[in-house]
Amino acid sequence: GIQVEQSPPDLILQEGANSTLRCNFSDSVNNLQWFHQNPWGQLINLFYIPSGTKQNGRLSATTVATERYSLLYISSSQTTDSGVYFCAVRNSGNTPLVFGKGTRLSVIA
Amino acid sequence: DTAVSQTPKYLVTQMGNDKSIKCEQNLGHDTMYWYKQDSKKFLKIMFSYNNKELIINETVPNRFSPKSPDKAHLNLHINSLELGDSAVYFCASSQDLASNGNGELFFGEGSRLTVL
Repeated sequence: GIQVEQSPPDLILQEGANSTLRCNFSDSVNNLQWFHQNPWGQLINLFYIPSGTKQNGRLSATTVATERYSLLYISSSQTTDSGVYFCAVRNSGNTPLVFGKGTRLSVIA
Repeated sequence: DTAVSQTPKYLVTQMGNDKSIKCEQNLGHDTMYWYKQDSKKFLKIMFSYNNKELIINETVPNRFSPKSPDKAHLNLHINSLELGDSAVYFCASSQDLASNGNGELFFGEGSRLTVL
């Protein structure tokens, strides 16, 4: 099946700093999503982005499908950005999303 | 209104017991899923249902039995609970690509199961 690798596995940032999270995948995809799991365990949809670039406030994402990677940018990080960021992909039909192992982000004041 | 809702949010029980987790979605989606998140935060698919029919069963022990009475509900029943079943179970839904959806996945808030 398709493989998903996220990097870095852990990241500690000072409040106000910017960061880039990466997701590499091993096959073509028809769906790619970024999720944020907050400290309370909720999985929040950030982006549905099988290709192209999207922005939502301080967050933006870019997927280069031909090169099999996606990037999530967090600018001016805040303590509320802390949590685990997951990339998930689907490579055919309606098969379930396959998740990466996540990037654990800690933003300190 | 919550789009994908699960109950209960927390469940503590003894080994050997049987328990159920319920899930309902009001998004009008035709596909529903159960994912398991282990202690290392890894999310893995367990089951997928499309219009009440099982389409994915990812080598889950047969002590786990999903039931979908209609396309808005997908319940998970677990028999003879074991210590290793302790995890957070997430329900999710999406609209099938074949039904003019884009397959975007939406999750419930999770149900934390602790087996003692």
